[in-house]
Amino acid sequence: DIVMTQSPDSLAVSLGERATFNCKSSQSVLYSSNNKNYLAWYQHKPGQPPKLLVYWASTRESGVPDRFSGSGSGTDFTLTISSLQAEDVAVYYCQQYYSTPYSFGQGTKLEIK
Amino acid sequence: QVQLVESGGVVVQPGRSLRLSCAASGFTFSNYGMHWVRQAPGMGLEWVALISYDEYDKYYADSVKGRFTISRDTSKNTLYLQMNSLRAEDTAVYYCAKDLTAYTRLVPFDQWGQGTPVTVSS
Repeated sequence: DIVMTQSPDSLAVSLGERATFNCKSSQSVLYSSNNKNYLAWYQHKPGQPPKLLVYWASTRESGVPDRFSGSGSGTDFTLTISSLQAEDVAVYYCQQYYSTPYSFGQGTKLEIK
Repeated sequence: QVQLVESGGVVVQPGRSLRLSCAASGFTFSNYGMHWVRQAPGMGLEWVALISYDEYDKYYADSVKGRFTISRDTSKNTLYLQMNSLRAEDTAVYYCAKDLTAYTRLVPFDQWGQGTPVTVSS
């Protein structure tokens, strides 16, 4: 089974500053046949369902602001918020869908400094 | 627009059974793989089970294998999760979610329901 590990566990960033989330998989989630990384990022706010932000490691979901961007390949991935807005306060999860059982990281809680 | 509405969550005693439902609308239900994901109190997201669009594939987390069964009724546009031999550690909010793209496997989840709470306690 693939284990997803996120860092840090929590993050405090000032409004307008950059926020960076890291995610590491215990084995590669890159399929060599199509050169795609089977890695997604979700935003989860209290009382709401999770929201898909990025998939294939770097493809932004429709309607997601362009301040959110994903990068990385193989086993190491990053989600970046280029300029933090108040509404971005949430827990952020990475997920691998390379193989079952699908797995999520433990989450990174984002707060305003 | 896409809607996923879970129901069936209650307080139940350990060892008992429960069936959750997820009513889908706004998309062609039979064309999409579906999932159950849960979040225990104070914890992160845990994927629970998937059923492929063609019902050929059903997969489960190790923590529920042999106790939970995922199924779907395309005539009712409804996803189910039959939960047997419930344990305290099954206490969580249960979400249903749909695959991003139709007729595919190994894709992320683009739409989620609001969740239904299950509490396993004596």
